[in-house]
Amino acid sequence: KAGVTQTPRYLIKTRGQQVTLSCSPISGHRSVSWYQQTPGQGLQFLFEYFSETQRNKGNFPGRFSGRQFSNSRSEMNVSTLELGDSALYLCASSPVTSGGDTQYFGPGTRLTVL
Amino acid sequence: QKEVEQNSGPLSVPEGAIASLNCTYSDRGSQSFFWYRQYSGKSPELIMSIYSNGDKEDGRFTAQLNKASQYVSLLIRDSQPSDSATYLCAVNGASGNTPLVFGKGTRLSVIA
Repeated sequence: KAGVTQTPRYLIKTRGQQVTLSCSPISGHRSVSWYQQTPGQGLQFLFEYFSETQRNKGNFPGRFSGRQFSNSRSEMNVSTLELGDSALYLCASSPVTSGGDTQYFGPGTRLTVL
Repeated sequence: QKEVEQNSGPLSVPEGAIASLNCTYSDRGSQSFFWYRQYSGKSPELIMSIYSNGDKEDGRFTAQLNKASQYVSLLIRDSQPSDSATYLCAVNGASGNTPLVFGKGTRLSVIA
């Protein structure tokens, strides 16, 4: 089975711009979670989608949003980028739930905001 | 606020020794516990999952869970330089539909 894929792998943006990241889960997995990883804060949960519905949301401002399509692929969008948004954004998929099931991570998208 | 605590390290062990990584969690109702390994510049990969009190062994890795003490650990026997990485502990909430909470990780360095 192919693993979780994320595109693009690297992005450089400037403050004020917006960005869209894409994630394709493992075939058959219905839950997709997004995380932000920074050296200081570690892995922080952004949100989880299951069957096109947002099931859980972390403590991030409304500039961070996401969606899931009928084929379970997911996108996340960050509007009005800030310098502090520079991070590794990781997508993880699991068969059903993000809490009880094992999550499998994609390679991540490295976002740099200048 | 659910919390997962890990010693940030670095934990340095000589090649061939046992590395012991520890994690405590605050949500007493947590049911699922995971250890991930993350090499520098890479994404986390699952090493072990454990759901019941006691030990679970997989090759050189042993996960230990003590729910009464809210403590989970990972032992790596015969440590190799290739084990040098950051190890992340992840714990779910009491409800299966709540997201995993990750610790900030322990950096392990195995010295040849």
